[in-house]
Amino acid sequence: EDQVTQSPEALRLQEGESSSLNCSYTVSGLRGLFWYRQDPGKGPEFLFTLYSAGEEKEKERLKATLTKKESFLHITAPKPEDSATYLCAVQALGSQGNLIFGKGTKLSVKP
Amino acid sequence: EADIYQTPRYLVIGTGKKITLECSQTMGHDKMYWYQQDPGMELHLIHYSYGVNSTEKGDLSSESTVSRIRTEHFPLTLESARPSHTSQYLCATRRGLNTEAFFGQGTRLTVV
Repeated sequence: EDQVTQSPEALRLQEGESSSLNCSYTVSGLRGLFWYRQDPGKGPEFLFTLYSAGEEKEKERLKATLTKKESFLHITAPKPEDSATYLCAVQALGSQGNLIFGKGTKLSVKP
Repeated sequence: EADIYQTPRYLVIGTGKKITLECSQTMGHDKMYWYQQDPGMELHLIHYSYGVNSTEKGDLSSESTVSRIRTEHFPLTLESARPSHTSQYLCATRRGLNTEAFFGQGTRLTVV
């Protein structure tokens, strides 16, 4: 069964304290892996797509990496405005377009 | 920038009422989706459409129905709302199966 597990469930950082969020996945074949940011009461906002192991994408303080079994979202020198829930989703080969989401990591950055 | 709109943003309604959640997009995408999300939980797909007159049920069983008469609109209807339908409903659109999904702001539904 295709599955996505994110860890930790919650992460509290001080401003400037770098860390990483993990997304482990099991799929029959990976078509793509997606990272989203979700603020309370809002819809997810797209961040990155990764397609193959070894691929990396970067945007401001965020960097996403992909291996054959997991993806990491690295946050460098976070600011309070980076506080949000970060969601990981996978698209499996042969699926009918259904993105499988993890439960997310709730990140809090304190000033 | 994604142009996908959901109305209403918040809805409190009594048990047994019929409701329709609206979703509109101006991106011209054929693929549209409805997800349900409870607090602290994953998004679960309840319906999707690959184009006009095409609708399919998702992985999560739902008592709702959808229609796709126009490319731009993908409304979701609950014929008789129940407290168990209380949740956040998110609409999304995609250009292709390899591409990212763009989400609306969601409708938070409370059935009392």
